[in-house]
Amino acid sequence: GEKVEQHESTLSVREGDSAVINCTYTDTASSYFPWYKQEAGKSLHFVIDIRSNVDRKQSQRLIVLLDKKAKRFSLHITATQPEDSAIYFCAASSYNQGKLIFGQGTKLSIKP
Amino acid sequence: EAAVTQSPRNKVAVTGGKVTLSCNQTNNHNNMYWYRQDTGHGLRLIHYSYGAGSTEKGDIPDGYKASRPSQENFSLILELATPSQTSVYFCASGARDSGNTLYFGEGSRLIVV
Repeated sequence: GEKVEQHESTLSVREGDSAVINCTYTDTASSYFPWYKQEAGKSLHFVIDIRSNVDRKQSQRLIVLLDKKAKRFSLHITATQPEDSAIYFCAASSYNQGKLIFGQGTKLSIKP
Repeated sequence: EAAVTQSPRNKVAVTGGKVTLSCNQTNNHNNMYWYRQDTGHGLRLIHYSYGAGSTEKGDIPDGYKASRPSQENFSLILELATPSQTSVYFCASGARDSGNTLYFGEGSRLIVV
């Protein structure tokens, strides 16, 4: 089955700098790649996604890149702010499967 | 606003006891999921469902059963709880097609002693 690896378990960046979180997946049939954010002590909520028919998607300060050949995707957070501090999870699924497989999570800390 | 409600939010159970975690969604979503979150493992899928009456095994189903009696409700059942099942459990719902946003509940913290 699909496996998703999230490469950075922790990441610390200075406020205003960019943060990059990288993920790889194993199933070539995967076509949907969302990102979720979990603030301390809270549940997860959706932040951005990308589908396999594009290789870049941006929503305000969030950019997602997809490299299907390398089976790799990444989340870029530009101009980081203190409220970006959280655990970020990448995930993957294929169109004909209803289940989403998550990575291990990256704890992002924004230093003042 | 999509709503997924879990109960209980916190539970202490004894080894060998039965535990039922309940999830209710008002999103009218077909798909529902149970995940557990453990440090170092991220979220791991236990069971999921495509609709009332259906349950599917996820990646770590051993020791767990699931029940989907209606569109709105999805339960996770630990018949014989063990300390290794101490974790935070999240329920989520999503629309039928793969690739739609999942809406998560607030989580249920289970401690098995």
